[in-house]
Amino acid sequence: EDQVTQSPEALRLQEGESSSLNCSYTVSGLRGLFWYRQDPGKGPEFLFTLYSAGEEKEKERLKATLTKKESFLHITAPKPEDSATYLCAVQTPYGGSQGNLIFGKGTKLSVKP
Amino acid sequence: DTGVSQNPRHKITKRGQNVTFRCDPISEHNRLYWYRQTLGQGPEFLTYFQNEAQLEKSRLLSDRFSAERPKGSFSTLEIQRTEQGDSAMYLCASSLPSTTNEKLFFGSGTQLSVL
Repeated sequence: EDQVTQSPEALRLQEGESSSLNCSYTVSGLRGLFWYRQDPGKGPEFLFTLYSAGEEKEKERLKATLTKKESFLHITAPKPEDSATYLCAVQTPYGGSQGNLIFGKGTKLSVKP
Repeated sequence: DTGVSQNPRHKITKRGQNVTFRCDPISEHNRLYWYRQTLGQGPEFLTYFQNEAQLEKSRLLSDRFSAERPKGSFSTLEIQRTEQGDSAMYLCASSLPSTTNEKLFFGSGTQLSVL
């Protein structure tokens, strides 16, 4: 069974304290791995797509990397406005439509000033 | 606002009642998805439309659930004879087809509470 596991479930950081979020996946095949950000009471907001091991993408203080079994979301010098739940999702070749994603439970990030 | 719009934002109903949610996708997006998210969990795929055609349904979508997208524009999701286990956030997303990267744009969801 295809599965996505995110760790830790919750992470508390001080402003400026860099850290990483982990997403490990067990799938029959990987078409793409996605990172989304979700604020309370809102829908997920797209951040990155990664397709192959070794690929990296960056956006402001966020950097996503991908290996054959996991992905990391690195947060450099976070600010309070980075507080949110970060969701990882995978798309598999056998999962139907391109938008049929398997999501992890997310990591809830809190950044204190 | 040109994002995905969902109404109502909140719905409280009694067990056994029928409810209907509406989703207005981004206007040029021909693909539309419904997901369900319960507290502490990630979203789970329910169904997919390309234009007006419903092309994919999850096994989570029991026969009490029905979704439509008449004329390929807005979509509705109806739940008949609601149960307490139906309490969740119902998310709609839309996208444009892409050969490399289908980016989903989510609405803010409809929070359903079944009493």
